[in-house]
Amino acid sequence: EAGVAQSPRYKIIEKRQSVAFWCNPISGHATLYWYQQILGQGPKLLIQFQNNGVVDDSQLPKDRFSAERLKGVDSTLKIQPAKLEDSAVYLCASSLSGRARTEAFFGQGTRLTVV
Amino acid sequence: GENVEQHPSTLSVQEGDSAVIKCTYSDSASNYFPWYKQELGKGPQLIIDIRSNVGEKKDQRIAVTLNKTAKHFSLHITETQPEDSAVYFCGSEKLVFGKGTKLTVNP
Repeated sequence: EAGVAQSPRYKIIEKRQSVAFWCNPISGHATLYWYQQILGQGPKLLIQFQNNGVVDDSQLPKDRFSAERLKGVDSTLKIQPAKLEDSAVYLCASSLSGRARTEAFFGQGTRLTVV
Repeated sequence: GENVEQHPSTLSVQEGDSAVIKCTYSDSASNYFPWYKQELGKGPQLIIDIRSNVGEKKDQRIAVTLNKTAKHFSLHITETQPEDSAVYFCGSEKLVFGKGTKLTVNP
């Protein structure tokens, strides 16, 4: 079974530039999560999708971050404009269902460095 | 918002010893508690989880205990091995995670 795919693996940008991350969840998984993991901390949930609808985006900084999940499969997370404090690993995860809690599978993440 | 507290932040043990990591949570409606292991450069991976209808669950050398009244749960690793060295995260039903525990098992 193929895992959660994320790209790119690494990205270095200057502050005020924009950047986008892509995630392809495990086939058939209805729920998709984006997390931000700052070095030395636990993953912080940014947004949760159920199919192509947003379930929770309460911690997404909506002035600069946006995410979409067109057709309920792939998802993109965008930051525009980036700030130095956005430097982190961005993790995508998927699970079969968000209601009856089942295992969430994580991708390897995208390491973003903002300089 | 929901809060999950985890401690200790670092833990160093000798190979063969036991390791215990503890978490407390704030959402009393939470009924599912996963533990994830994250190795360097990789995404977190589920190692064990527990639902609120049981107080303990065991899988070979790892076990999780849950006290719903006190709103805390713990991860127990027995007979630790160097390959257990990683960062461990506890989570809640909404997949809110603690800050992590870096476990080092010294040979």
